[in-house]
Amino acid sequence: EAGVVQSPRYKIIEKKQPVAFWCNPISGHNTLYWYLQNLGQGPELLIRYENEEAVDDSQLPKDRFSAERLKGVDSTLKIQPAELGDSAVYLCASSSIGSGGGEQFFGPGTRLTVL
Amino acid sequence: GENVEQHPSTLSVQEGDSAVIKCTYSDSASNYFPWYKQELGKRPQLIIDIRSNVGEKKDQRIAVTLNKTAKHFSLHITETQPEDSAVYFCAASKNNAGNMLTFGGGTRLMVKP
Repeated sequence: EAGVVQSPRYKIIEKKQPVAFWCNPISGHNTLYWYLQNLGQGPELLIRYENEEAVDDSQLPKDRFSAERLKGVDSTLKIQPAELGDSAVYLCASSSIGSGGGEQFFGPGTRLTVL
Repeated sequence: GENVEQHPSTLSVQEGDSAVIKCTYSDSASNYFPWYKQELGKRPQLIIDIRSNVGEKKDQRIAVTLNKTAKHFSLHITETQPEDSAVYFCAASKNNAGNMLTFGGGTRLMVKP
């Protein structure tokens, strides 16, 4: 079974430029998460989707960040414009209540560097 | 909201020794507590979890204990091996589905051969 897929793995951009990250969750997983992980810290939730619906986006900086999950499968996270402080690893994860509940499966992450 | 504190931030042990990582949480409604292992440059992976209806769970060399009254839980690794070297994250969730996780700050475990 393929795991969570993310692309690109690395992205270097200049500040004020836009950037987008893509995530393909594990097949059949209805819940999808985007996390931000700063160096040496734990993941922090940005947004959680149940199917197509964003059910928790309270930590998403909506002035510059946006996300979508069309058709309840793949998802994209966008930053426009990027700031220096956005440099971090962006992790996507997915889970399924049908799997017994609990385990979130993470993708490899996208390491963003804003210059 | 939930706040999860994790200690220590770094832990160095000799191969074969035991390692203990401790976490405290603030929201008494939390009832699901997973532990994730993240090797350098890799994705976090679940290694063990515990729900609030049990006080201890073991899986080979790893165990987790939960004290709901004190709102803390711990990860115990016995007979540590060099491949146990990684960053370990605890987390807490307010529902059994585990989809409302708040992570601790992580513990970098180094096992010296």
